[in-house]
Amino acid sequence: AQSVTQPDIHITVSEGASLELRCNYSYGATPYLFWYVQSPGQGLQLLLKYFSGDTLVQGIKGFEAEFKRSQSSFNLRKPSVHWSDAAEYFCAVGGTGGFKTIFGAGTRLFVKA
Amino acid sequence: EADIYQTPRYLVIGTGKKITLECSQTMGHDKMYWYQQDPGMELHLIHYSYGVNSTEKGDLSSESTVSRIRTEHFPLTLESARPSHTSQYLCASSSNTHTEAFFGQGTRLTVV
Repeated sequence: AQSVTQPDIHITVSEGASLELRCNYSYGATPYLFWYVQSPGQGLQLLLKYFSGDTLVQGIKGFEAEFKRSQSSFNLRKPSVHWSDAAEYFCAVGGTGGFKTIFGAGTRLFVKA
Repeated sequence: EADIYQTPRYLVIGTGKKITLECSQTMGHDKMYWYQQDPGMELHLIHYSYGVNSTEKGDLSSESTVSRIRTEHFPLTLESARPSHTSQYLCASSSNTHTEAFFGQGTRLTVV
């Protein structure tokens, strides 16, 4: 069965510290992987996506993610967190054709001064 | 600029009323989705559509219904609203070639 797991319900980091949000997936074919961010009361905004090629992908707002097929993971990273990064982050997996996007449960990021 | 629009953004309505949440996209996407999300919680897919005249129920059972008469329009209707329907409803769309989903701003529904 297709699934996405985000093991951390919430994470707290200090401003300026590095960040890594974990994501593991289960998918029967080559996955299309995404990270979205959601600020309170808003819709979801795409941070980055992986379809093929280089396994390290760069996104907006200084985020990057690395696809590791052997670990079925697609972890999100940022070298230095800003207070404005506090939000909910969703990992998602999808495919072409008739497959619908599957979202993880989300990780809420808190940033302390 | 291509986008996806949801109206209204906020709605407070009495129990038993019929409501329709609107969702329109200008990107020509075939696939559209409705998700239900309680505050701070995960997204639950309640309806999706692969194209005109195609609608399917999602993973979470919902008393709402949807229609897809035009590619750009995917409204969600509740025939008789109840307090248990209080939630945020997010509409999204994606193309068949690139499955990244584009989201609207959401409709926050409160049934009193």
